[in-house]
Amino acid sequence: GNSVTQMEGPVTLSEEAFLTINCTYTATGYPSLFWYVQYPGEGLQLLLKATKADDKGSNKGFEATYRKETTSFHLEKGSVQVSDSAVYFCALSAPPFFYKLSFGAGTTVTVRA
Amino acid sequence: DGGITQSPKYLFRKEGQNVTLSCEQNLNHDAMYWYRQDPGQGLRLIYYSQIVNDFQKGDIAEGYSVSREKKESFPLTVTSAQKNPTAFYLCASTPRGDGDGGRIHEQYFGPGTRLTVT
Repeated sequence: GNSVTQMEGPVTLSEEAFLTINCTYTATGYPSLFWYVQYPGEGLQLLLKATKADDKGSNKGFEATYRKETTSFHLEKGSVQVSDSAVYFCALSAPPFFYKLSFGAGTTVTVRA
Repeated sequence: DGGITQSPKYLFRKEGQNVTLSCEQNLNHDAMYWYRQDPGQGLRLIYYSQIVNDFQKGDIAEGYSVSREKKESFPLTVTSAQKNPTAFYLCASTPRGDGDGGRIHEQYFGPGTRLTVT
């Protein structure tokens, strides 16, 4: 079956530090990959996505590259801000059930001023 | 503004009572989903509906029921048979429910309902 493994948190950083959250996956076929972000007390928002190998998704300074050879989709940001404090989820959807998302456990990130 | 609304934000119930969580969307999306979120476990799919008057069980459907009588509404009932109902419940939707020929659709999430059963 499909599954996503992401690094355990919590992660605590200082402002302007570099952030990386590892995500690896197991899937049948060629999945699409997503990073969602959840701010405290809210639902999930799509942060970025990639639909084929070597695609790079990017948004709000975050980036992730779809690496088929290592089955990975690591999230990175070069300089975090306090407002980036949130829970980050890696997720995938794979054929034939594209409408079903499989989520990682989530990584809590706290950025201190 | 288009989006998904879930109400209420916080819900408290006594053990043994059924409770219904509301999810409404005005995005004109065909497909809707219910997830359960527990600390450290990510999101797990409870039920999903690809089209009106049709729905399927997800990975953890036991103790839950749904209906999809209208395109914009997908209420979830947490029954007394659900052994551990206390959780954060999230509703989501996508424009299409059939994969749209392989085209990927973002799932749009509501703000969630936190249910506490004592």
